[in-house]
Amino acid sequence: EVQMVQSGAEVKKPGESLSISCQGSGYSANYWITWVRQMPGKGLEWMGRIDPSDSYINYSPSFQGHVTISADKSTTTAYLQWSSLKASDTAMYYCARLGHCSSTSCYMDYWGQGTLVTVSS
Amino acid sequence: EIALTQSPDTLSLSPGEGATLSCRAGQSVTNNYLAWYQQKPGLAPRLLIYGASSRAAGIPDRFSGSGSGTDFILTISRLEPEDSAVYYCQQYGTLRDTFGQGTKLEIK
Repeated sequence: EVQMVQSGAEVKKPGESLSISCQGSGYSANYWITWVRQMPGKGLEWMGRIDPSDSYINYSPSFQGHVTISADKSTTTAYLQWSSLKASDTAMYYCARLGHCSSTSCYMDYWGQGTLVTVSS
Repeated sequence: EIALTQSPDTLSLSPGEGATLSCRAGQSVTNNYLAWYQQKPGLAPRLLIYGASSRAAGIPDRFSGSGSGTDFILTISRLEPEDSAVYYCQQYGTLRDTFGQGTKLEIK
């Protein structure tokens, strides 16, 4: 069974750093992992994607420079990191596995349960 | 970056009726690489349709996708109360994925 399991909810203060994780299991081939933000009461926003096999990354221009995406090939785990959080980073963050397409991207076939990040002084 | 506009913003229908949700792209979607997702309150999105018209595993045949180029449709037949959710389209034919703003479907 394919599963994407994310780390737990976080409460942080502005200026603090944070790393959240997403571990894929139940599949053997190389699949990209993507991150999606959902601010409170809002829609889905694509942040970026990573190939865990070689850590090749594509960022959305809206998020490049604000977050860092990384991966650990040995554990099929992707990470989303902030060096200095802002209140506006408060959101639910989802990871998802990308299917295989003849394209630079693909549909998101399995999703993590989400990690709620709250940034407040 | 391809902008996706969904309509209507909200749809209120009765059980047993059919729903038609629209997704319009600002430019042609490469290879019709368009997906639809369902998101219920408090839950992660779920893939319904990919490649504009292929149903994902385990999705009932009441859900169907159609369209090409810039205009895409998600049709849900014989609505059930459990279909209440927000539905998003996504294009994945370019380096930058984009989502539509979502259509909220209410089953009254």
